[in-house]
Amino acid sequence: DGGITQSPKYLFRKEGQNVTLSCEQNLNHDAMYWYRQDPGQGLRLIYYSQIVNDFQKGDIAEGYSVSREKKESFPLTVTSAQKNPTAFYLCASSLRPRGMMAEAFFGQGTRLTVV
Amino acid sequence: ILNVEQSPQSLHVQEGDSTNFTCSFPSSNFYALHWYRWETAKSPEALFVMTLNGDEKKKGRISATLNTKEGYSYLYIKGSQPEDSATYLCAFPPNTGNQFYFGTGTSLTVIP
Repeated sequence: DGGITQSPKYLFRKEGQNVTLSCEQNLNHDAMYWYRQDPGQGLRLIYYSQIVNDFQKGDIAEGYSVSREKKESFPLTVTSAQKNPTAFYLCASSLRPRGMMAEAFFGQGTRLTVV
Repeated sequence: ILNVEQSPQSLHVQEGDSTNFTCSFPSSNFYALHWYRWETAKSPEALFVMTLNGDEKKKGRISATLNTKEGYSYLYIKGSQPEDSATYLCAFPPNTGNQFYFGTGTSLTVIP
């Protein structure tokens, strides 16, 4: 079955540690996105990538880093520089990066908690 | 950052009731408007992608309309069922970029 797989579903991190969230898709989509959700707020874009080896900052990129070495993979690293990392993280992909009429497909999310 | 607003924030209806929610978005730089349904513990799924002023789309008991000139879209659910309980998100990708701006969603609970 085609889709997007995020792992892990739940993640606990100690303060000061970096942690990497995995996002893999087998939909052959060009564009991939990382969003963050906080209570009472809409999904906010962290980073997006239109093509392998290229990615752009979203509205809240500070304290995060990404890589896009393969078309199917777009991991997100939450660094120790991110002041408030506890949140729900959602990965998405879409078929045509400039064609925003293409619907987005989503993973099931990773809930990160800093302890 | 563009402002996409949804109302109401939450809604409780009885099974069989019809209901509707609103998504407001900037009327300038319009390109498309997306509606997604997000059930608890699942991934958001696309309902509609709307592009033309006056567009009406329908999927079963769910339909949506679009007014790009005044910057709003309505989502209607006719004869709500418990399985319609979910958060309904709208997303606005302006024609000037490559990202979606999401509203905060409307949480619908259908009481049997």
